[in-house]
Amino acid sequence: KQEVTQIPAALSVPEGENLVLNCSFTDSAIYNLQWFRQDPGKGLTSLLLIQSSQREQTSGRLNASLDKSSGRSTLYIAASQPGDSATYLCAVNSGGYQKVTFGIGTKLQVIP
Amino acid sequence: NAGVMQNPRHLVRRRGQEARLRCSPMKGHSHVYWYRQLPEEGLKFMVYLQKENIIDESGMPKERFSAEFPKEGPSILRIQQVVRGDSAAYFCASSPTMDGYTFGSGTRLTVV
Repeated sequence: KQEVTQIPAALSVPEGENLVLNCSFTDSAIYNLQWFRQDPGKGLTSLLLIQSSQREQTSGRLNASLDKSSGRSTLYIAASQPGDSATYLCAVNSGGYQKVTFGIGTKLQVIP
Repeated sequence: NAGVMQNPRHLVRRRGQEARLRCSPMKGHSHVYWYRQLPEEGLKFMVYLQKENIIDESGMPKERFSAEFPKEGPSILRIQQVVRGDSAAYFCASSPTMDGYTFGSGTRLTVV
């Protein structure tokens, strides 16, 4: 059974800092891994999707890496802004038909 | 492209009533997934459907919960005789094939 852990559970940083969010998973036989952000009381917004054959994906100030052998992914956010404040979820797809396991998330607060 | 549409956004039901949650997948997406997010917990897989077929319902409670995705119309998640423990955010996601999900904004069910 796949288990996904996200560390830290909460993070508070001043505006402008670069930061790293961590995601670890127990079963390295994955299909893909996806990072989402969730704003309070709202839905999930997909940020980056990394296929199992890829090592990283970039979108703007975001960079996600994947190391399957060690069961880890990181989400790097450059030059953080108050608008980045949200909960960031890591979702690991290890099912043949897309059954996905989510972490509980990292709650990020960027202080102006 | 309207994305994944869920309605209602908020639903209040008294104990013992029925709750019906609707999800219209993105255009061209034939795979629909329902997830439940309990307070302070990660999203948990409930059921995976394709048109007119339930592919995997291993995450659904055995009683009171059912889901369908008819040939025409939205996918429906139905909860009969709701109890307070059913209060949660219910998210629907869709995908075209085996790639990443697109999520709806969710339905927040409150049982009073």
